[in-house]
Amino acid sequence: ETGVTQTPRHLVMGMTNKKSLKCEQHLGHNAMYWYKQSAKKPLELMFVYSLEERVENNSVPSRFSPECPNSSHLFLHLHTLQPEDSALYLCASSQETGEGNYEQYFGPGTRLTVT
Amino acid sequence: AQKITQTQPGMFVQEKEAVTLDCTYDTSDPSYGLFWYKQPSSGEMIFLIYQGSYDQQNATEGRYSLNFQKARKSANLVISASQLGDSAMYFCAMRGLYTGTASKLTFGTGTRLQVTL
Repeated sequence: ETGVTQTPRHLVMGMTNKKSLKCEQHLGHNAMYWYKQSAKKPLELMFVYSLEERVENNSVPSRFSPECPNSSHLFLHLHTLQPEDSALYLCASSQETGEGNYEQYFGPGTRLTVT
Repeated sequence: AQKITQTQPGMFVQEKEAVTLDCTYDTSDPSYGLFWYKQPSSGEMIFLIYQGSYDQQNATEGRYSLNFQKARKSANLVISASQLGDSAMYFCAMRGLYTGTASKLTFGTGTRLQVTL
């Protein structure tokens, strides 16, 4: 596997379900991100992990719970979601070295539908 | 705070022609980076090109070039010799530099480009 992978690619869940999204980066990066992309809205940053510590939480509801067990893996645990949470969830990683252009590499996303 | 504005929700271009996608930005950071990403219908965001606010020359990557006008706070993407595979959503984004580890990217709303025969 190369780059950033995400599983599952598609997920349909009821409002009472509990599910998890998984992201894995094979680039040796030290920072990982979760973004939410809804129709006709800019990408919204949800969480940032740097060196496995959460450095940013953008006022995300508690029904979304991130976990970063190591620098290569990032999870987003979902419970009691609402229909408005239906969106494309993108994971990204970057190498934060203190200089350079810091481009973020994205995974293919998980298309989530909450019924 | 940072803000990215992309005023063109959709653009059409004929194959082999050049096209310019507009991006203006606002920031209070003294040093910042500007990025363009391409998102095909498959969903993956593909990094295209980067411009640092301190760079004297406009960035180029193959058929992509960034027309950076710092005084006007614009960072337009120019795609030369358009191909059918260029049809996608294009997002302009920015972040502050040297603000600590792992700063956020702020994205615009995107421009949908359609390349026609």
